[in-house]
Order: sequence, then structure tokens, then C-alpha cells
Amino acid sequence: QKEVEQNSGPLSVPEGAIASLNCTYSDRVSQSFFWYRQYSGKSPELIMSIYSNGDKEDGRFTAQLNKASQYVSLLIRDSQPSDSATYLCAVSPGNTPLVFGKGTRLSVIA
Amino acid sequence: DTEVTQTPKHLVMGMTNKKSLKCEQHMGHRAMYWYKQKAKKPPELMFVYSYEKLSINESVPSRFSPECPNSSLLNLHLHALQPEDSALYLCASSQDGQLHYGYTFGSGTRLTVV
Repeated sequence: QKEVEQNSGPLSVPEGAIASLNCTYSDRVSQSFFWYRQYSGKSPELIMSIYSNGDKEDGRFTAQLNKASQYVSLLIRDSQPSDSATYLCAVSPGNTPLVFGKGTRLSVIA
Repeated sequence: DTEVTQTPKHLVMGMTNKKSLKCEQHMGHRAMYWYKQKAKKPPELMFVYSYEKLSINESVPSRFSPECPNSSLLNLHLHALQPEDSALYLCASSQDGQLHYGYTFGSGTRLTVV
């Protein structure tokens, strides 16, 4: 059973702080890792993808991957109230559909 | 065109009705997906089409019937639904089944069964 685990939250951070979201996965052959942001009532939106160990930065977002420990994380710097959403971690084991975690609700307090 | 277009955005249907959801993409993606999402839950996979052929059916009840008329279009035919089928129905596409670039999701259809 391929599993992706996330803390459901809510994770509350003050405006301007760094939000740290974590995800662990069970399938060691996983190759591609994604973070989706989903606002309430809307569809998921891809914000970050990462494929190799280390950090990948895109604006205020940094994705981190550690395949040996089977975890992937998302850091959001200078958090804004508009970042308040559910963040879904998704993992691709290869030639099968994405496996989604249950999502972490982030609340950025102004 | 980098979008997946879903219609309608909202649908209310009775338990005896027949309706269809439509999904269209023009990105040349060869894999398309239907997901169901209930409130505060992650998307739940229903069907996968790869190169216009049904490759995965996640034991979905027969009152949901998918169809892929061509590589750009995906339909979900609905018949005799139950109130518990009310949910956000998401269509997604990917370049192919290797999923190196993840999914592009449509904006979804909010379905209410009365």
C-alpha cells in the first residue's frame, strides 16, 4: 500500500513568518514529488515539483527532498494571509497515478 | 493553451436524472483522470484514461460511466446518483502516465444530488 502522510493541521503562523509543511512517503521507488495548493472550494494548483535530493527554490517557496529518509517538505517564507489554504503533497511512484496525502491546512494570521 | 476546462461548474440533479460532466484539454496530454473530492478530504481517484483507453477503474459504482471520445475530451456520465455522491468532481490531465510533470487540474464541477 503506497502511502503519503501529512499532518492535517491546522498549522497557524503569523504573517511574515516561515511556514514549514512536511510529508513522508512509503514507496522507496517514488521518483517525482509535488506540492499542490488548494483554496477552499477550488481545485488543486501545482506550486512546486522536485525530483532529486536537496532544495529547490521558486520565489517564496522552497521544496526539500530527502529520499533516504523518505520525506519531502515545503517552506513558505514571508507567509501572507493569501497563503492560507490546504497544501497537498503528492508522490509519483512511476507509471501509476499520483498518490496524495490528506493535506495540511495552513492559516496565516495577519 | 495550458488549461483543463470543465463544464458545468455547478450541477444540481435529482436521483433519477441523467447528466454528464465534460472535461477538455488541448495540451496534447495523453493521460486524463477523474477524481472525486469531498469536503476536507484529499482527491479520490475514480478513473484513468491513457491514450484514450480506460486503464484504471477504482471500483467505482456503475452509476458513474466514463467516456473518452478523443485525446482531448473526457466525459463522466451520471445516472441514478445518490445524495452521498454530492462532491467536487475534478478532471486532471498529464503529459503521459510517467507523471514527471504532475497533473494539471480543471476547476472542477460542484455536484449536488437532491
